[in-house]
Amino acid sequence: EADIYQTPRYLVIGTGKKITLECSQTMGHDKMYWYQQDPGMELHLIHYSYGVNSTEKGDLSSESTVSRIRTEHFPLTLESARPSHTSQYLCASSEARQGRANYGYTFGSGTRLTVV
Amino acid sequence: RKEVEQDPGPFNVPEGATVAFNCTYSNSASQSFFWYRQDCRKEPKLLMSVYSSGNEDGRFTAQLNRASQYISLLIRDSKLSDSATYLCVAVHGSSNTGKLIFGQGTTLQVKP
Repeated sequence: EADIYQTPRYLVIGTGKKITLECSQTMGHDKMYWYQQDPGMELHLIHYSYGVNSTEKGDLSSESTVSRIRTEHFPLTLESARPSHTSQYLCASSEARQGRANYGYTFGSGTRLTVV
Repeated sequence: RKEVEQDPGPFNVPEGATVAFNCTYSNSASQSFFWYRQDCRKEPKLLMSVYSSGNEDGRFTAQLNRASQYISLLIRDSKLSDSATYLCVAVHGSSNTGKLIFGQGTTLQVKP
């Protein structure tokens, strides 16, 4: 039973369309993340948030934007999709724990995006 | 140079074999480390944390060598169900603001 949900699971869309990838978690986690992963490649952090109204860009440059209006919701938006955006997008969350080193992430099932 | 480097493999081993993966990290300030498992076309799932003193969870043993900046994962008595990609992860930053940096992953295929 998943505690972090991503929709849609698969999306095929035409170039130039605006899309929003949804991510919601029911664990009350403060920290949420978006990663991008191409087949056989490592995950790259594209956005993260440490709480409501907090958003930061990650290590990999991305043309997407995010918002964090509610703790449980962290949607990612592409204003104008391009074929280069074709990839898997994984959302994750974790607790912010003062002084704790062990704070593994819980990942959603991902959205496989294809832009044609 | 990648911040977290792994041999992508694949490692093809028979059932029952012992297999070890190594991973190196470049940022000496990294504080915490993990191993994640990712099945084909699935999301990564936390396998175990890695502590300086070494830690064991059933057939899995993780070790950290800070002086040489490498992490290892040992799997004993391999099962067919162990076939997956194993991701080495280093954490940059403090325990409150740290970000996970993933390696490319090492693919393990356990054969009958």
